[in-house]
Amino acid sequence: SQKIEQNSEALNIQEGKTATLTCNYTNYSPAYLQWYRQDPGRGPVFLLLIRENEKEKRKERLKVTFDTTLKQSLFHITASQPADSATYLCALDRGSTLGRLYFGRGTQLTVWP
Amino acid sequence: GAVVSQHPSWVICKSGTSVKIECRSLDFQATTMFWYRQFPKQSLMLMATSNEGSKATYEQGVEKDKFLINHASLTLSTLTVTSAHPEDSSFYICSASAKKLFFGSGTQLSVL
Repeated sequence: SQKIEQNSEALNIQEGKTATLTCNYTNYSPAYLQWYRQDPGRGPVFLLLIRENEKEKRKERLKVTFDTTLKQSLFHITASQPADSATYLCALDRGSTLGRLYFGRGTQLTVWP
Repeated sequence: GAVVSQHPSWVICKSGTSVKIECRSLDFQATTMFWYRQFPKQSLMLMATSNEGSKATYEQGVEKDKFLINHASLTLSTLTVTSAHPEDSSFYICSASAKKLFFGSGTQLSVL
């Protein structure tokens, strides 16, 4: 069965540093991979989508890489700020419909001043 | 950007009662909506795909008679948890697609 692992349950970094989150998956070849931000008691908010034929994607301070050989995606937040503190979720498509996704458990990022 | 509204944000009910959760796309039409469930410290799990004007498609292991889904219009899908029990207590989240996926703010269900 499909399995998604996000490297750690929690990550604490100092403001201004780069946060790097990892998403590994097995038993699957997704057409695309997405990253979401989730705040406590709220629904996820879409951040970035990267397709299987793309190596890297950027949006402002965010960067995502996708290595289909390693079955891994890295999510970077540069110049991190305390407001970036949240849980970040990795999600893979389940084929066919856009909204049918497998989610990882997430990594809780805390950025301290 | 597109907005998905979910109501109520939290509900407490007695065991054996039914609870209805509404999911609305406020500024776009959604022929397809999705219902997820999330237990504490766990990943979001897809429960079902809600299709406007037709029956919902349930994921393996999700009881369709327990979780009734109705998608009567292009902007509204409802999830009814029937005869709720404490093990149904969870965070239920809906989503809809408008080029990308937008999620509602979720409903925390607590069954006593």
